[in-house]
Amino acid sequence: GAVVSQHPSRVICKSGTSVKIECRSLDFQATTMFWYRQFPKKSLMLMATSNEGSKATYEQGVEKDKFLINHASLTLSTLTVTSAHPEDSSFYICSATGWRAAGNTIYFGEGSWLTVV
Amino acid sequence: KNQVEQSPQSLIILEGKNCTLQCNYTVSPFSNLRWYKQDTGRGPVSLTIMTFSENTKSNGRYTATLDADTKQSSLHITASQLSDSASYICVVSASDYKLSFGAGTTVTVRA
Repeated sequence: GAVVSQHPSRVICKSGTSVKIECRSLDFQATTMFWYRQFPKKSLMLMATSNEGSKATYEQGVEKDKFLINHASLTLSTLTVTSAHPEDSSFYICSATGWRAAGNTIYFGEGSWLTVV
Repeated sequence: KNQVEQSPQSLIILEGKNCTLQCNYTVSPFSNLRWYKQDTGRGPVSLTIMTFSENTKSNGRYTATLDADTKQSSLHITASQLSDSASYICVVSASDYKLSFGAGTTVTVRA
C-alpha cells in the first residue's frame, strides 16, 4: 500500500538555528500534504495544508514565516522550522493524499521528534 | 464548530479482555469517519474508514460502528493483546481533506 516517509525521525538542534523535515510519498503522487504538530498526550493539531506547486495554507495562529512549507513536487513536501526555540520542541507529523489515496484514506508519516536546546 | 469528543480518555484492561471506545462528533456535513491507532512517538496508522452509508467495519480484532443519525461511533477491540496498547484516535472528515481529530483514548493492556 501507499507509504509516507518522514525524515529525520529525530533531530536535535541549537536554539536559533533552522531545521528541515522532509515528507515523501513513496508510491503515489501526493497532490495535497498536511503538516501537524502534536504535544505529549494531546491530539494532532493541523498547522498547514500544502498543494503541489502552490503556497501552503496556514491555520490560524501558525506563523508562516517561522514554519516554512514547500511542496515543490508531487512526492515531496518539506517543513522548515526557522530560528528554532525550545518551545518549538514537539512531534511533527505529515500526512498525504493523492491520486491513489484520494477518497480512500489519508496516509500519515511516522513523525519527527524535534528537540531544540 | 466541528468537534470530535472521545471517551474514555484512558482505560486499562487485562490481556484477552474486550473493550469499547466511543466517539461523538458534530462535524457537518459529514463525509467519513476514521479510526487510527497511534503508538507512542509514531505516526497514526489507519484501522478503519466508514462513510455515511456504512454501519460497521472490521479490521481483524478491531470493529468500528457508525450511527450517522446520532453522530456516534465506537471502536471495539476483541481479545486484547499487549500490542494493542496505544492511543486510538477518531478522525471525522467534513470533506476529503479537512479533518477534525478527537483527543484520543489511551488504551493500556496488562498481562
